[in-house]
Amino acid sequence: DTAVSQTPKYLVTQMGNDKSIKCEQNLGHDTMYWYKQDSKKFLKIMFSYNNKELIINETVPNRFSPKSPDKAHLNLHINSLELGDSAVYFCASSLRGTGDAYGYTFGSGTRLTVV
Amino acid sequence: AQSVTQPDIHITVSEGASLELRCNYSYGATPYLFWYVQSPGQGLQLLLKYFSGDTLVQGIKGFEAEFKRSQSSFNLRKPSVHWSDAAEYFCAISGGSYIPTFGRGTSLIVHP
Repeated sequence: DTAVSQTPKYLVTQMGNDKSIKCEQNLGHDTMYWYKQDSKKFLKIMFSYNNKELIINETVPNRFSPKSPDKAHLNLHINSLELGDSAVYFCASSLRGTGDAYGYTFGSGTRLTVV
Repeated sequence: AQSVTQPDIHITVSEGASLELRCNYSYGATPYLFWYVQSPGQGLQLLLKYFSGDTLVQGIKGFEAEFKRSQSSFNLRKPSVHWSDAAEYFCAISGGSYIPTFGRGTSLIVHP
């Protein structure tokens, strides 16, 4: 039973389209995150929600909009996709808050390719 | 501001050889320290963590890491590498309310 699951695993789409990535965790964790990993493997935090409340909103284009319908779900919607949005997007969760001493649990990633 | 440095972008070892991956950090106090592994096409998996107590911590897959406060280091070690250990390894730090800061990663290549 997957702890943090993301769908889809692969997403190929044309510039200008709108797409969503879904994430669900069954660990009972309080906090969920979206990370972007670029082609050089650099991980950048995008957003974080704690119990459905947005607590981290890094410098991300407002074409990216997260939504957390409940504590176990965090979705990412991207409008007007651009070539530079191509990356791997990871969902993660942690038991408590952002500085959790127990670390994060990551999903397996969504590879987004914009053509 | 906190920061993490992984000085080695790539490390190549032969199967069965020992391994040490370096991690140095900058932080105002003792941080929480982590090593994650990312296999090709997969997400990051937590290998081990340190937040207090014994400075030598054991993790999964036979890995261990040692926290050295005087050197601001948290190096990852394994006595005998297996071909399946080939992956990207990330060191990370966090503390209090801070989100983790990840290093740029070290790519481990294992030769048969």
